[in-house]
Amino acid sequence: GQNIDQPTEMTATEGAIVQINCTYQTSGFNGLFWYQQHAGEAPTFLSYNVLDGLEEKGRFSSFLSRSKGYSYLLLKELQMKDSASYLCAVMDSNYQLIWGAGTKLIIKP
Amino acid sequence: GAVVSQHPSRVICKSGTSVKIECRSLDFQATTMFWYRQFPKQSLMLMATSNEGSKATYEQGVEKDKFLINHASLTLSTLTVTSAHPEDSSFYICSARDTTGGHTEAFFGQGTRLTVV
Repeated sequence: GQNIDQPTEMTATEGAIVQINCTYQTSGFNGLFWYQQHAGEAPTFLSYNVLDGLEEKGRFSSFLSRSKGYSYLLLKELQMKDSASYLCAVMDSNYQLIWGAGTKLIIKP
Repeated sequence: GAVVSQHPSRVICKSGTSVKIECRSLDFQATTMFWYRQFPKQSLMLMATSNEGSKATYEQGVEKDKFLINHASLTLSTLTVTSAHPEDSSFYICSARDTTGGHTEAFFGQGTRLTVV
């Protein structure tokens, strides 16, 4: 079966760095996405990785290792507004998105 | 980035009535749109894949006669919740992928909070 695993909840301090991991097992791979979702709102796109390596975009970076079925989202210089759920999703061989359950990130002052 | 507009953002309806939710891609053509349902503190659950000009593909366990999907044009898909009941109260979200230029990211509508009373 297809499976996406990510931690349920993480806590970090304002100004610090946090890494949210995602492991996956899917039928085929056509890229991995990270989305941010604030409570009561729809997800917003953060990053897309299809090749191995690190993609940096401002305070957010995303890493992919296809051989390990592993990705992480790295958030630097955390701000209170970064408190949200972070969803990992993999596009399978049929170009369908398989979603993880999301990681709730709590930022403390 | 591409914009997907979903309407209405919130709706309250009486049990037994039907509710229509619209999803529009504003600056790109979407041959395929996706409808999700999300319960509180849970991830997105794919309900169906909406294909322009053909019948939608429903996920296992989703009643196609209850959740009617119409994708009549390349920019509009609608989800109608028929004979709504309180257990249908949820957050419904549509998404579409802009595949022009090799893009593959999915863009989401704002979501619709449905409350059935």
